[in-house]
Amino acid sequence: NAGVTQTPKFQVLKTGQSMTLQCAQDMNHEYMSWYRQDPGMGLRLIHYSVGAGITDQGEVPNGYNVSRSTTEDFPLRLLSAAPSQTSVYFCASSRLAGGPDTQYFGPGTRLTVL
Amino acid sequence: AQRVTQPEKLLSVFKGAPVELKCNYSYSGSPELFWYVQYSRQRLQLLLRHISRESIKGFTADLNKGETSFHLKKPFAQEEDSAMYYCALSDSGTYKYIFGTGTRLKVLA
Repeated sequence: NAGVTQTPKFQVLKTGQSMTLQCAQDMNHEYMSWYRQDPGMGLRLIHYSVGAGITDQGEVPNGYNVSRSTTEDFPLRLLSAAPSQTSVYFCASSRLAGGPDTQYFGPGTRLTVL
Repeated sequence: AQRVTQPEKLLSVFKGAPVELKCNYSYSGSPELFWYVQYSRQRLQLLLRHISRESIKGFTADLNKGETSFHLKKPFAQEEDSAMYYCALSDSGTYKYIFGTGTRLKVLA
């Protein structure tokens, strides 16, 4: 099993550009989520999904869109990149056991917005 | 609102000294609590969870509902324990997974 994979590993964007961060998992997990990691702020939840066709907002959703058309994939779209979105982005997945269970993380995407 | 607080950004201890990483939470219900660790250049991974009551790499954590705490402890720190540690809470009501701000542990030789 590959677990949780993310592409790309690094990305540099100019302000106003859009892009999609890819995330896939092969563990048949119902729950998938996106976080951003910033110094001193920890991991903050951007969006999450409890199954195909179901998504919801986390703590910091503004400027990001998600969709979940399959169980395996959960892409994160930046609509119009801003310097404040410079961060490391992590995708994670888990089974649902009441609430989301142990999170399995991808390797992260380091995004810089100039 | 549900919240996880890790009051220390950085904790430095000498090798062989005891370690305690603090975690406090606010949650209306029975919480599912976790500790995750991120070693340098590695992805985040589960260290332990309160429901399993296991000791992993010598670390333990006890849920104290009265003090709403889930502190991580190890009696004798090792240099390889140097990493970033995150406390997290799973909210079965909203399906949100909430992380604290993390504590960087440095174990000095």
